[in-house]
Amino acid sequence: QVQLQESGSGLVKPSQTLSLTCTVSGASIGVVGYAWSWMRQSPGKGLEWIGYLYTRGSTSYNPSLKTRVTISGDRSKNQFSLKLTSLTAADTAVYYCARQGIFYDTVGFHKGSWLDPWGQGILVTVSS
Amino acid sequence: EVVLTQSPDTLSLSPGERATLSCGASQSVTNNYVAWYQQRPGLAPRLVIYDASSRAPGIPDRFSGSGSGTDYTLTITRLAPEDFAVYYCQQYGNSPITFGQGTRLDIK
Repeated sequence: QVQLQESGSGLVKPSQTLSLTCTVSGASIGVVGYAWSWMRQSPGKGLEWIGYLYTRGSTSYNPSLKTRVTISGDRSKNQFSLKLTSLTAADTAVYYCARQGIFYDTVGFHKGSWLDPWGQGILVTVSS
Repeated sequence: EVVLTQSPDTLSLSPGERATLSCGASQSVTNNYVAWYQQRPGLAPRLVIYDASSRAPGIPDRFSGSGSGTDYTLTITRLAPEDFAVYYCQQYGNSPITFGQGTRLDIK
């Protein structure tokens, strides 16, 4: 049974960097066919896909956040992490990690699909 | 990006009734790559349907999905008490991945 658990700072000051870690059990983050993803949910913007980490360190990010996001992995700990820079109040949300299915498009690029399972989520508040 | 609009915003029904939730896309979703999630209060979303009509493992057969192009539907026959929650659609056929705003299914 695959399980994911988010951890990290729940309160971050404006302009600073959010750092979260997702610990995975029951599966390896190095397995081919699945990516490891971050989403967030806020009352104002609803659910938003942030990006994913795929095999051999390949990543894919939402263009709306791409300039501020880095997702990386530590296979020795079976963890993957999210860094989001230049925070504002608009980044206040519940952040979730999840396993994401992968498919390949017509030109051979990997794309993310459904998300299952999800971690329980962690509330991050951006405030001074 | 593809904008998903769910309707209605809130649906009030009684246990045992049939629920029909809609998700409309601003443009055709490639390969009908649409998923549905259930979110109960205080919990993370849970995958219910993927690829428009395939049930996720462990999901009861009273849940079904259908649709193509720009119009998708989640149907729940014979509502059980644990089915009352918020449901979100997601499309992954076009980049970037996007979600609908959700439909709240309330007990009448």
